[in-house]
Amino acid sequence: KAGVTQTPRYLIKTRGQQVTLSCSPISGHRSVSWYQQTPGQGLQFLFEYFSETQRNKGNFPGRFSGRQFSNSRSEMNVSTLELGDSALYLCASSAIGTSGDTQYFGPGTRLTVL
Amino acid sequence: AQSVSQHNHHVILSEAASLELGCNYSYGGTVNLFWYVQYPGQHLQLLLKYFSGDPLVKGIKGFEAEFIKSKFSFNLRKPSVQWSDTAEYFCAVLATGGFKTIFGAGTRLFVKA
Repeated sequence: KAGVTQTPRYLIKTRGQQVTLSCSPISGHRSVSWYQQTPGQGLQFLFEYFSETQRNKGNFPGRFSGRQFSNSRSEMNVSTLELGDSALYLCASSAIGTSGDTQYFGPGTRLTVL
Repeated sequence: AQSVSQHNHHVILSEAASLELGCNYSYGGTVNLFWYVQYPGQHLQLLLKYFSGDPLVKGIKGFEAEFIKSKFSFNLRKPSVQWSDTAEYFCAVLATGGFKTIFGAGTRLFVKA
């Protein structure tokens, strides 16, 4: 079974631009979560989607948004990029996303904002 | 609000030494607890998880963790580490029935050969 894939793997943007990251979950998984990983901060929860519905959101500004499509693929968008948005963005998929369900992580998208 | 605290940011051990990584969480309800590991150049992967039942949980590669509810702790242990255990370890908590997994800041373990 193919793992979680994320595209692109690397991105360089400048301040003020916007960016869209994509995540394809493991086949059959309906829950997709997004995290921002920075050194010393660990993984910060962005949002979680299940069957095209956002079930929970982390403490990030409204510039961070996401969506999920009917095939469970998910995208996240960051508008008006700031230097502090430079990070590794991780996507994780799981079958149902709760109660002991295991999350499977993708390789991440490394975003650099100049 | 839930939070997870990992006691050590960096740990250096020699091969064959015993390992214990501390993890405490803050949440009043029932939880699912996880330890994830990120080996150099690899994806985050699950080491072990506590869902319910026996509070002593065994995972892959000889790791185990004990859930102590009264202490809100879920410490990771391994009796004898190997050089290949060099990695970053993350503790995480998910409120039972919730959809938001909270991760700790991570502990970087370096094992000297």
